[in-house]
Amino acid sequence: ILNVEQSPQSLHVQEGDSTNFTCSFPSSNFYALHWYRWETAKSPEALFVMTLNGDEKKKGRISATLNTKEGYSYLYIKGSQPEDSATYLCTGGSSNTGKLIFGQGTTLQVKP
Amino acid sequence: KAGVTQTPRYLIKTRGQQVTLSCSPISGHRSVSWYQQTPGQGLQFLFEYFSETQRNKGNFPGRFSGRQFSNSRSEMNVSTLELGDSALYLCASSLGPGNNYGYTFGSGTRLTVV
Repeated sequence: ILNVEQSPQSLHVQEGDSTNFTCSFPSSNFYALHWYRWETAKSPEALFVMTLNGDEKKKGRISATLNTKEGYSYLYIKGSQPEDSATYLCTGGSSNTGKLIFGQGTTLQVKP
Repeated sequence: KAGVTQTPRYLIKTRGQQVTLSCSPISGHRSVSWYQQTPGQGLQFLFEYFSETQRNKGNFPGRFSGRQFSNSRSEMNVSTLELGDSALYLCASSLGPGNNYGYTFGSGTRLTVV
């Protein structure tokens, strides 16, 4: 995987809104995709590790889907809360080497 | 269970000096990776270690080196520091090598080169 792109770069929503972000990657040589949440002054926290086309994972109000054939993953947050405010990082690996290529992240601000 | 511990948290060095950063992984985690984040840049991969062996290295000059000890603790060293090395250095550990496992990150070491 040469490049991982995330969109949008930033997002401002109201509390209660549902939102989603996109992570795009070259579909050739795909091996795994990870999502992390990085809150200010904290360490990145793992949300999901996905490897199979069609994978869907859920953690509370947050879910993610993976399409390896077309090279994208979506992260959904249902009913956003102020504590969801963070930068969401997508990262992919093209082989099982542990070398992850990170996207620039999507910064989410949820206003109460 | 203790998280990933990185020391020191902050460091100020002068150009030309060298620096060593330390990372203690979560107990039971045998894989350690290092990443650099500079202003305006995403996380850039530096190294991955497993069982004291470097499995992969990112596109960084030879001034950046690292190692892993038998207890899985890892150190990275940067010699002949340059201003552009000022960054947040994050260490992450996982159960095993490769991309199958999620990573647990430390709080990072913020290095400032003056």
